[in-house]
Amino acid sequence: AQSVTQPDIHITVSEGASLELRCNYSYGATPYLFWYVQSPGQGLQLLLKYFSGDTLVQGIKGFEAEFKRSQSSFNLRKPSVHWSDAAEYFCAVVLSGSARQLTFGSGTQLTVLP
Amino acid sequence: SQTIHQWPATLVQPVGSPLSLECTVEGTSNPNLYWYRQAAGRGLQLLFYSVGIGQISSEVPQNLSASRPQDRQFILSSKKLLLSDSGFYLCAWTRGGNQPQHFGDGTRLSIL
Repeated sequence: AQSVTQPDIHITVSEGASLELRCNYSYGATPYLFWYVQSPGQGLQLLLKYFSGDTLVQGIKGFEAEFKRSQSSFNLRKPSVHWSDAAEYFCAVVLSGSARQLTFGSGTQLTVLP
Repeated sequence: SQTIHQWPATLVQPVGSPLSLECTVEGTSNPNLYWYRQAAGRGLQLLFYSVGIGQISSEVPQNLSASRPQDRQFILSSKKLLLSDSGFYLCAWTRGGNQPQHFGDGTRLSIL
């Protein structure tokens, strides 16, 4: 069965520091991969997506992610974190099938220190 | 452009009362629609999805049901709420294919 693992439940970084959030997937074929961000009490906002092609994808708010097939990973990065980036981040994989159901990781809570 | 609306934003209900949460999408036709629940500190659990009017697939057997009476309307219901139904409910839509899902702002449901 397909699964998505975000090994870090909570990460704390200082403002201006670099950030990397980890995501590993278990999937039998080339997946469609997504990163979403959720601010408290809000819905999920799409940061970026990977379907095929260039393995380094750029997203909104200065985020990028790199697909590494050999490691079954799709880690999210940002070179310099802003206080407004504090939120919960979810990695997701499309489940095969006509309804294109998303399988979500359990999320990583990001705290940004001033 | 497409938009998705969920209401109400917050809801406090007593145990045993009925529930109706509504989600509508504007600016597109024949979307795939989804209901998720997010418990505190947990990830998202897919509850129901629909690929067309009157077509509902249930992912998790439970106290809830879903209906799609119109193309862009998706309703989550319960006849008698349980304490365990508390959580944050999110509606989402997608055009299908490899397009990403887009989420509403969610409904915070508290059961007393």
